[in-house]
Order: sequence, then C-alpha cells, then structure tokens
Amino acid sequence: QSALTQPASVSGSPGQSITISCTGTSSDVGYYNYVSWYQQHPGKAPKLMIYDVSNRPSGVSNRFSGSKSGNTASLTISGLQAEDEADYYCSSYTSSSTLVFGGGTKLTVL
Amino acid sequence: QVQLQESGPGLLKPSETLSLTCTVSGGSIRSYSWSWIRQPPGKGLEWIGDIYYSGSTSGSTNYNPSLKSRVTISLDTSKNQFSLKLSSVTAADTAVYYCARVFRGGSGPDYWGQGALVTVSS
Repeated sequence: QSALTQPASVSGSPGQSITISCTGTSSDVGYYNYVSWYQQHPGKAPKLMIYDVSNRPSGVSNRFSGSKSGNTASLTISGLQAEDEADYYCSSYTSSSTLVFGGGTKLTVL
Repeated sequence: QVQLQESGPGLLKPSETLSLTCTVSGGSIRSYSWSWIRQPPGKGLEWIGDIYYSGSTSGSTNYNPSLKSRVTISLDTSKNQFSLKLSSVTAADTAVYYCARVFRGGSGPDYWGQGALVTVSS
C-alpha cells in the first residue's frame, strides 16, 4: 500500500488559517469516511485531532476542522497559534482492512 | 483514562527478532482494537498492524502487506498486554515503535503509548 500524499510543509502567521491536504485513492480516502488527522510535537507521541473525516475528540479545539472531497481529505486550522507548530499526519482505513498514513506535513507558525 | 506503555530491548543485531510488549491500564484489551505503529528517525508514521479480541487468545489480526511475512501481533488477556514480534530485522527497522488503541474499527488510534526506540546495529 502506498502512503497518502501530503505537502511536506505549510506555514502561516498567527491568527491566519491554513489547510493541509491528504490525497489518496478510491481504495482508501475515497472508499470510506475513515480519515483521521494527528498532531505530533518533537519527541512526543502523535495526538488524534480529527477522526471520521470531520469529528473532533473531546478536548480538541474547534479551531481544527476536517473535510473530504473524493480522494482528497483536508485539515484546516483557523486562528493559528504558536503551539500549533508541529508535524501533522493523516491516516485512512483501506478497502483491505489496513491503515495507511500520509507522509506528514510540517507546519511552521511564522 | 487509558494508558499504554511499550517495553522491550532497545538494541538488536541484524537478523534478530524484535519483541515488544504493550501493557494497557485503565481498560481491558478484550475491548477495542490494538495497533502497532513505527516511526524511523526523522521520518513519517508507518502502520504495522492491529489485533482485536475475538474470543480466542490469539485474536484476529491485520498486517501491513509490506511487513506481513515478518510480523506477528498477539494478545495476552491474562496480563492485559499485547505484543509485537518482527523477525529478521535490519537497520531499516530502526524506529520508535508505538502501541496504540483503536476505539472503533476503521478509525485511527486515539490513545498512544509514549514510544520505544529500537535500534538495529551490528
């Protein structure tokens, strides 16, 4: 299975909004509404930010939102804050009952 | 609050078998699915596989096709643990290995362990 495609890096200024894309195929992102997003700070374990395309776990800021169109999912962070600077990964369940991750995107808050 | 903790040797020689255990507290491994995920230094996340309790001690498993021939994931319900074995390791298997809980089939992991660095070197 091939990794989902994410931009290597994105950046934005405090208060702005950014969007990170996650492109897969009709066998993963496009097959189910089972896309998740994770935030990972250096030296830490990933933290689930979005599941099932657009749902936020309890305790995650509503500045984080997710969506999907066809084979591409997106994570939007509004009102950027310094603590949002991290690596972000998407994942998708696949038609083969496996999980595939994206390559990761480094978010820089300018 | 569910907590997961990885344990096992941190240094292996090429061709050896990697063995890691994840101890789960705050919940039963008879519920949910349980995953192993790894991250080579400076690189992205790679799903290794998962297991869920199906009434048998071995559980039902799914594996990454690229690792399937070398991977075994198992459950020990008496200790509330699950384990990973990866055979014939090479330097390419050097990574931080995470265990994690999947709260519903299809969804990504919600609770993660802190990770265990395993280095393969002669």
